[in-house]
Amino acid sequence: DIVMTQSPDSLAVSLGERATINCKSSQSVLYDSNNKNYLSWYQQKPGQPPKLLIYWASTRESGVPDRFIGSESGTDFTLTISSLQAEDVAVYYCQQYYITPYTFGQGTKVEIK
Amino acid sequence: EVQLVQSGAEVKKPGESLKISCKAYGYSFSTYWIGWVRQMPGKGLEWMGSIYPADSHTRYSPSFRGQVTISADKSITTAYLQWSSLKASDTAMYYCVRRITISGVVSHFDYWGQGTLVTASS
Repeated sequence: DIVMTQSPDSLAVSLGERATINCKSSQSVLYDSNNKNYLSWYQQKPGQPPKLLIYWASTRESGVPDRFIGSESGTDFTLTISSLQAEDVAVYYCQQYYITPYTFGQGTKVEIK
Repeated sequence: EVQLVQSGAEVKKPGESLKISCKAYGYSFSTYWIGWVRQMPGKGLEWMGSIYPADSHTRYSPSFRGQVTISADKSITTAYLQWSSLKASDTAMYYCVRRITISGVVSHFDYWGQGTLVTASS
C-alpha cells in the first residue's frame, strides 16, 4: 500500500497568516497517461463530509477560494492556505488515487492562534 | 446538479445484517465509479472499495475484502454497502463518493454523500 504521511498533525495560525501542510507519499503517484500526480486535498469540518479542494496535486476545484494552493515536488506535496480565514478551521487530508487501496494521510487539524 | 443522497442513521446489534444505500442524481450513474469511505469516531478516512455500475466490477481494499459487500442497481441509480454480520468495531460514519472521469481517464473523487452513521452496540 502507498503510505501517505502528513505533517504536522496540527497547527495554529493567526488570522491572515499562512498555513502550510505537507504530505509525503511512500512511492510515486504520477499517472503516465496524463502526466498528472494523482493526489487530492480535502477539507473536513465537524459534522460534514470531506470537501474536495485540490486534485492532480495543484488544480483547484471549481468554487474553491484562490487562497488554497497545492504544490508538488516528486513525492512531496504541499497545501498552502495563503491567508487563513476563520472559516478555514478544519481538518485537512491528502489522498492518493493512483493505485488501490486509495489511501489518505492521517489528517492535519488547523486552528486559529 | 450532481447529488449523492445516503440512507439514514442505523442502530443495530452486533451479529445483525445491514445494507445502507447511496442514491445518485444528476449524472450518468452507470459510467462513473462510486465508492465507500469509512470514518471511525474521531479518526481519519479509509477507502473501503468501489464499484463500476455499468458492469458491477468491484475493487476492495484488502482491509475490507470479505467484511463487506458493495453492489449497485443501475435501474434506480443506487449503490449499496452491506454487512452480513456487524461487529461493534463497524461503528462509524460511512460516506459514498463518486470518482470522476476526465477526457476518458479515470481521475479523482469529486462528490461525496452526506454520510450514514452506523452504530453497532448491544
